[in-house]
Amino acid sequence: GESVGLHLPTLSVQEGDNSIINCAYSNSASDYFIWYKQESGKGPQFIIDIRSNMDKRQGQRVTVLLNKTVKHLSLQIAATQPGDSAVYFCAENIGTQAGTALIFGKGTTLSVSS
Amino acid sequence: GAGVSQSPSNKVTEKGKDVELRCDPISGHTALYWYRQSLGQGLEFLIYFQGNSAPDKSGLPSDRFSAERTGGSVSTLTIQRTQQEDSAVYLCASSFNERGSAFFGQGTRLTVV
Repeated sequence: GESVGLHLPTLSVQEGDNSIINCAYSNSASDYFIWYKQESGKGPQFIIDIRSNMDKRQGQRVTVLLNKTVKHLSLQIAATQPGDSAVYFCAENIGTQAGTALIFGKGTTLSVSS
Repeated sequence: GAGVSQSPSNKVTEKGKDVELRCDPISGHTALYWYRQSLGQGLEFLIYFQGNSAPDKSGLPSDRFSAERTGGSVSTLTIQRTQQEDSAVYLCASSFNERGSAFFGQGTRLTVV
């Protein structure tokens, strides 16, 4: 089964609101996490990442929070804009026989209305 | 090029035919991933290459799927005797090393009719 999942498949917000997208992971040995944004018809686009030696990292309008105690990851988007509408995936770096690989959760669809 | 390049962007094939999908990773990236994404679904891990190590093939759904990476750069995903359930977008990604963020190509949309 999947080791990375998301609590909600869809999230609808109003333009200007803050959005929070959640992700739970099951592998306590994972030490690197990435959030991706995927717009329709395009490949996933890197948003922000965080390593397990941190619990918070900020980018432009985005913040990622990592809670290793409960194995929870969240992406916060400030002042959400219509252009933020997309599917958001969290990815977990898991060790494999070849090294490490990124395993993705199912994704949350964010819909932003004006 | 500056990003990950995949070809073709679209491929329509008849059931039972073989197809080859190509991925040109970002220059200098040692890690390369293949994923499959069905309509409205998440990314299903297929295979992972890291440097000269043996690839992790644990995600390949059947023995009809195979992939190779020549010279540590270009990769080809081959699907033999395609079935309708193989229809999906096949995404390739590369990263500088196994601990770095992966950058994706635009994908190849495969339709098996």
